[in-house]
Amino acid sequence: QKEVEQNSGPLSVPEGAIASLNCTYSDRGSQSFFWYRQYSGKSPELIMSIYSNGDKEDGRFTAQLNKASQYVSLLIRDSQPSDSATYLCAVIPGAVGTASKLTFGTGTRLQVTL
Amino acid sequence: EAGVTQFPSHSVIEKGQTVTLRCDPISGHDNLYWYRRVMGKEIKFLLHFVKESKQDESGMPNNRFLAERTGGTYSTLKVQPAELEDSGVYFCASSANWGNTIYFGEGSWLTVV
Repeated sequence: QKEVEQNSGPLSVPEGAIASLNCTYSDRGSQSFFWYRQYSGKSPELIMSIYSNGDKEDGRFTAQLNKASQYVSLLIRDSQPSDSATYLCAVIPGAVGTASKLTFGTGTRLQVTL
Repeated sequence: EAGVTQFPSHSVIEKGQTVTLRCDPISGHDNLYWYRRVMGKEIKFLLHFVKESKQDESGMPNNRFLAERTGGTYSTLKVQPAELEDSGVYFCASSANWGNTIYFGEGSWLTVV
């Protein structure tokens, strides 16, 4: 079992729709969760971090965390063609402050169509 | 403010040769990380420096890889001798303090032929 699992996609959504990206993780003790966006050939860019159960909203992005189900998701509202990228889920295993190395999923490629 | 910069951006070398990758973190960032993504796989942690000290090198694949951060500023990652399976993208990242946002460079693409 991989430590962080994501569907590789591509996930295709029409412009203006909601894109839903999902991620599961295996380390039940993990406390820190991140979503990075990576355009082809570019650096991964942090777009959301979440540490507590529930929802965290930032503009068009909402991260959702359910530690009991070991599940974290990213919703992108009003999807734009510029959102087309690979979205990487990353987890820091263990409690907050005990480590800082990220464990990544393979990423989900999102395509927003006109 | 300059981001994390890496050099070279692309490198093609023959099996058995040596390659040295360089990373300049964001100024003032004590934490520097190396990660690697091989084709079709996830980005994987290699090692973590705090200033000039290796905090965690648990991800280094074998002794053909040597990372240094003399003076606690830029870092180098040397692969000697390179093998075909070393091909991939090597990312450097930095953060100011423990637990702060980790910023990534654009990566050094290494192809071993």
